[in-house]
Amino acid sequence: DIQMTQSPSSLSASIGDRVTITCQASEDNRNYLSWYQQKPGKAPKLLIYDAFNLEAGVSSRFSGTASGTDFFLTISSLQPEDSATYYCQQFDNRPQYTFGQGTKVEI
Amino acid sequence: EVQLVQSGGGLVKPGESLRLSCTVSGFRFSYGWMSWVRQAPGKRLEWVGRIKSETDGGTIDYAAPVKGRFFISRDDSKNKVYLQMNSLKTEDTAVYFCTTVTVISYFDYWGQGSLVSVSS
Repeated sequence: DIQMTQSPSSLSASIGDRVTITCQASEDNRNYLSWYQQKPGKAPKLLIYDAFNLEAGVSSRFSGTASGTDFFLTISSLQPEDSATYYCQQFDNRPQYTFGQGTKVEI
Repeated sequence: EVQLVQSGGGLVKPGESLRLSCTVSGFRFSYGWMSWVRQAPGKRLEWVGRIKSETDGGTIDYAAPVKGRFFISRDDSKNKVYLQMNSLKTEDTAVYFCTTVTVISYFDYWGQGSLVSVSS
């Protein structure tokens, strides 16, 4: 199975900061990498799919990039409503969907 | 607007069974693939299983920890998907979410979650 290593596990930043979260896949997953935002007691919300694509209705503050098997979620200018836990998720055709361990963002 | 409304869940003893339901609206359900994802307390999200549309063969796939104990089904006439959970273990304690899988690789719409607690 493809393993996902997400870092950092938590971070604290200020309003307006640029924040980047990293997810590393154990092998090539053809950019089948998505990012979700989850607030306490709520269902996750899709932010980015297939590594780069912004889900409709999601703020353009969020962006996804990739370099080989490393994937990055960047929040360009942190806002109070961005306080949440962020998860990466990969897919392969076995099929297998695997999530990272999450990054808690505090403001 | 796509909505997924879940029902079911609760407290059961190890070895017992439970069924979760998920009703979908605002979505071409019969053409859609559906999935279940769970989250144990304080843990990461974990994929449980996926059911394809009948037009795509209706294939059902499961994650290894639940294979042979959990069963996913769908009723396209009612826009519902089900998760039948048998031989429940304490480690199955989690919030269970139903999701749509519009494109094969990710989960776009989510239900509100159903808490399943397995304890003696």
